[in-house]
Amino acid sequence: DADVTQTPRNRITKTGKRIMLECSQTKGHDRMYWYRQDPGLGLRLIYYSFDVKDINKGEISDGYSVSRQAQAKFSLSLESAIPNQTALYFCATSEGGQSYGYTFGSGTRLTVV
Amino acid sequence: AQKITQTQPGMFVQEKEAVTLDCTYDTSDPSYGLFWYKQPSSGEMIFLIYQGSYDQQNATEGRYSLNFQKARKSANLVISASQLGDSAMYFCAMRSRGTSYGKLTFGQGTILTVHP
Repeated sequence: DADVTQTPRNRITKTGKRIMLECSQTKGHDRMYWYRQDPGLGLRLIYYSFDVKDINKGEISDGYSVSRQAQAKFSLSLESAIPNQTALYFCATSEGGQSYGYTFGSGTRLTVV
Repeated sequence: AQKITQTQPGMFVQEKEAVTLDCTYDTSDPSYGLFWYKQPSSGEMIFLIYQGSYDQQNATEGRYSLNFQKARKSANLVISASQLGDSAMYFCAMRSRGTSYGKLTFGQGTILTVHP
């Protein structure tokens, strides 16, 4: 099994629908992150969590919400999906500290029509 | 605030040649880490190399090396002996003490195409 698992891998949904993207990890990391990737913009941070009781907004949190159900699970919700939320979404985990990079999930390709 | 800039949207290189992908960064923190990731067409993010702000020597990992010029705030990735499988998107990223060594800030990415 992958260290960081994202479900679903691909999803097409209609404008106005609520959708949840799920992320689970077996790394034992406290820190978890949600990013979205758009062409020419790189990866931008949506939300992050340093532990179960700590949730923080990233640079583009409008239109999104998250839930940290357990140390290993971090879900991203789009309450009412809109077409400009069409993107590749990544969940990632890390340890704290300067030298620790991320362990990424495989990504969820979301299309809002 | 921290910022990463990758000014090359696309780069081309001949197989077996070396290529340099540019990355400049901006931070007021004296302690930070710099990372490069590779994203092939399949979409996954693959860690390549890490450089710490206090490291005296440039990082190397196989065919990858990081040309770290602290005074110029640049952290260029050098790929030697390019292979067809190196064709991918490459991201430069940074995390710093000011963000509790938490979030990574990414650049816009550079698409590398290796020609046979």
